[in-house]
Amino acid sequence: GQNIDQPTEMTATEGAIVQINCTYQTSGFNGLFWYQQHAGEAPTFLSYNVLDGLEEKGRFSSFLSRSKGYSYLLLKELQMKDSASYLCAVKDSNYQLIWGAGTKLIIKP
Amino acid sequence: IAGITQAPTSQILAAGRRMTLRCTQDMRHNAMYWYRQDLGLGLRLIHYSNTAGTTGKGEVPDGYSVSRANTDDFPLTLASAVPSQTSVYFCASSDSSHNEQFFGPGTRLTVL
Repeated sequence: GQNIDQPTEMTATEGAIVQINCTYQTSGFNGLFWYQQHAGEAPTFLSYNVLDGLEEKGRFSSFLSRSKGYSYLLLKELQMKDSASYLCAVKDSNYQLIWGAGTKLIIKP
Repeated sequence: IAGITQAPTSQILAAGRRMTLRCTQDMRHNAMYWYRQDLGLGLRLIHYSNTAGTTGKGEVPDGYSVSRANTDDFPLTLASAVPSQTSVYFCASSDSSHNEQFFGPGTRLTVL
């Protein structure tokens, strides 16, 4: 079967750095996405990785290792507004997104 | 319209009733999707459409139907609602199946 695993909840301090991990087992791989979802709102796109390595975009970076079936999202200089759920999704061999259950990130002052 | 819209925002529905959730996008995206999101679970794909005139079944299609008469609209119909269909429903679109998806604001549906 297809499976995306990420921690259910994480807590971090304002101004710090946090890494959210995602491991996957899917039928085929055509890219990995990270989305942010604030409570009661729609998911919004953060990053896309299709090749191994690190993609940096401002305070957010995303890393992919296809051989290990592993990705992480790194958030630097955390702000209170970063409190949200972070969703990992893999595009499978049919080009459909398989979603993880999301990681709820709580930022404390 | 800017982006992707859904209606209604929320709805309480009696079991056995028919309900259509509306989704409209103005980005001229070819691909559109319907997901449901339940607590503790990832988004699950109900139905999708890669282009106007075509539709396909996702992971959890039973009890739902869709149509794609034109590029902009992608309604989702529950023929006879059941309590297990209580969920938040998101419509999304992308310019192709390869690229990022843009999400509507969601419809919160409660079936009693």
